Order: sequence, then structure tokens, then C-alpha cells
Amino acid sequence: EPEVTQTPSHQVTQMGQEVILRCVPISNHLYFYWYRQILGQKVEFLVSFYNNEISEKSEIFDDQFSVERPDGSNFTLKIRSTKLEDSAMYFCASRDTRTGTNTGELFFGEGSRLTVL
Amino acid sequence: AQSVTQLGSHVSVSEGALVLLRCNYSSSVPPYLFWYVQYPNQGLQLLLKYTTGATLVKGINGFEAEFKKSETSFHLTKPSAHMSDAAEYFCAVSGGKLIFGQGTELSVKP
Repeated sequence: EPEVTQTPSHQVTQMGQEVILRCVPISNHLYFYWYRQILGQKVEFLVSFYNNEISEKSEIFDDQFSVERPDGSNFTLKIRSTKLEDSAMYFCASRDTRTGTNTGELFFGEGSRLTVL
Repeated sequence: AQSVTQLGSHVSVSEGALVLLRCNYSSSVPPYLFWYVQYPNQGLQLLLKYTTGATLVKGINGFEAEFKKSETSFHLTKPSAHMSDAAEYFCAVSGGKLIFGQGTELSVKP
């Protein structure tokens, strides 16, 4: 069964460093998402991406964050200068938007745990 | 705007007892509703979903949920809890993006 894959599974970085989290969405899916889950808290929407541009972003997604689809398969989340409060699990997801198969369901990856020291 | 409220951040049941996790939603359009489960240090796994049609939805691991429009609810139930059901459960509503509730941690006592 097709799945969303994320790398790395865990990254430890120093405050102020740049981090890139990578995701390979399910092929044929056209909508991509990043979510964040701070330890013990709810899953929060960061950004959605469609047709090579951001379609929606939350107030969390400030200028320190950016997303990119550098090629036909990868979808990346970059944090320019990490802060302690960026420590969280980051989930990538994709959605099937084809007529007849779009149920609104998001398919999630296993997550990338980011620890900022 | 759409939102989800999960009543009870922590629910504890005995093994073999009924599991009931509550979820109420707010949506200006007919909602798509979901329950996801998250085991410790793992990702989000879809338990079940309601899109259209039958309001009683069956999912994996013996869970089911009933969409009640009049009550704006989508409560998750399982007749008999297993120890392996201990996890965090998230209700979500779809409006393009998924909007998650706060989550309910389910503990199962032997």
C-alpha cells in the first residue's frame, strides 16, 4: 500500500541552525501538508501546498518556515533558524484530490522528531 | 470555521469494559469526520472516517463511531477494551485541511 515517507526520523540540532525535513508524498496526490505536534499536545496545522504554492498557512508558519517541492517527488519543510520551541514532531501528509476518491482523508507519514538544544 | 472538541483529555477503563471517547464538531458545511489513533512515539493511524452515507461507521480494531448531525457528535466506541488499545485518540474534521481535537489519552487497566 502506498505510504508517505519522512526523513529523518529524528534530528537533534543546535538553536539557530537551519533544519530541513523531507517528505515523499503518495504519488498521484496533489495536496501536501505539514503538521506539528509539541510533546503531549494536539496536532497543529502548519501549511498546505498545492500546485507548487502555499494554499493556506497557520499563524505558526512565520517567516522562519518555508516549504518547497524541489522535484517531482520530495516535499520539504525548512526552518531557517531553529528555536527551542520548535522542538516537536513534524508530520507530513498528502491528500488524494481526484474526482471520486477525494474523501478529505489525509495520509500521514511516521513523523520527524526535531529536538532543538 | 470548523472546529472539534474532545471531551475528556484522559479516559481510563478496565480491560473488557466499554470504551467511549467523545467528540463534538462545528462545521458550516456537511463535515467529513475522522478518528486517528497515535501509539507512543508513533505516527497517526486512521481508525475510521465518515464522509457520506451510513451514519454508523466501522473501523479497524473493533472501533466504530456514529455521526449524529442533530447532536453535532461523532463519538468513538468499542464494546470491549483491550490492553493494546491504550493510546492517544484524535478526532478531526476536514475542511480542506484536517482540524484536530485536543486528543484523548485512553488507559486500559488489567
